[in-house]
Amino acid sequence: ETGVTQTPRHLVMGMTNKKSLKCEQHLGHNAMYWYKQSAKKPLELMFVYSLEERVENNSVPSRFSPECPNSSHLFLHLHTLQPEDSALYLCASSQELTGLSSYNSPLHFGNGTRLTVT
Amino acid sequence: SQKIEQNSEALNIQEGKTATLTCNYTNYSPAYLQWYRQDPGRGPVFLLLIRENEKEKRKERLKVTFDTTLKQSLFHITASQPADSATYLCALDDYKLSFGAGTTVTVRA
Repeated sequence: ETGVTQTPRHLVMGMTNKKSLKCEQHLGHNAMYWYKQSAKKPLELMFVYSLEERVENNSVPSRFSPECPNSSHLFLHLHTLQPEDSALYLCASSQELTGLSSYNSPLHFGNGTRLTVT
Repeated sequence: SQKIEQNSEALNIQEGKTATLTCNYTNYSPAYLQWYRQDPGRGPVFLLLIRENEKEKRKERLKVTFDTTLKQSLFHITASQPADSATYLCALDDYKLSFGAGTTVTVRA
């Protein structure tokens, strides 16, 4: 196992539903991330949390709402999604905040939630 | 922001041969570059990191090079095996970590 657990693995929801994705990391890392992966496209960074504080919101529509209650848990709350939001949603963690040149901690990913919006 | 291009979406090679994957970027040279492996239905797994002052990095049958003049990283899998079949992603430091779309490698027995 990767040390990062995501649930559920698969989710089908209608456009009017409200659901939540859950991520838990068992690695003692300080930073957690949400990425969206669509077919044939690069991973898109959605949100970044460092020590439970949101440090990046990458122009994500408000129908996606993240929550980080502590350094081990990360949620992504979903409501009134669109069919184009169907994708693989990946959670990741790193020892330190990565991508700031001073830090180069590798990302540890979960196996994702495959979301289908009907 | 950086534009990251990985060579052709798919690479098919014979077992035992060397697979060479390319990662090109357009703007300033990043402080470091990372390579990940992703299997179907799984999240990416970190493989190697190379810093801008390093020319080459090795890990078992994997070798990564970093040429800041060419703005390119090469990822080599030597003595390839069918178990190496996967999608390989490069990622570089662009204030945030930015990923390429990946190259899918299929190793034929």
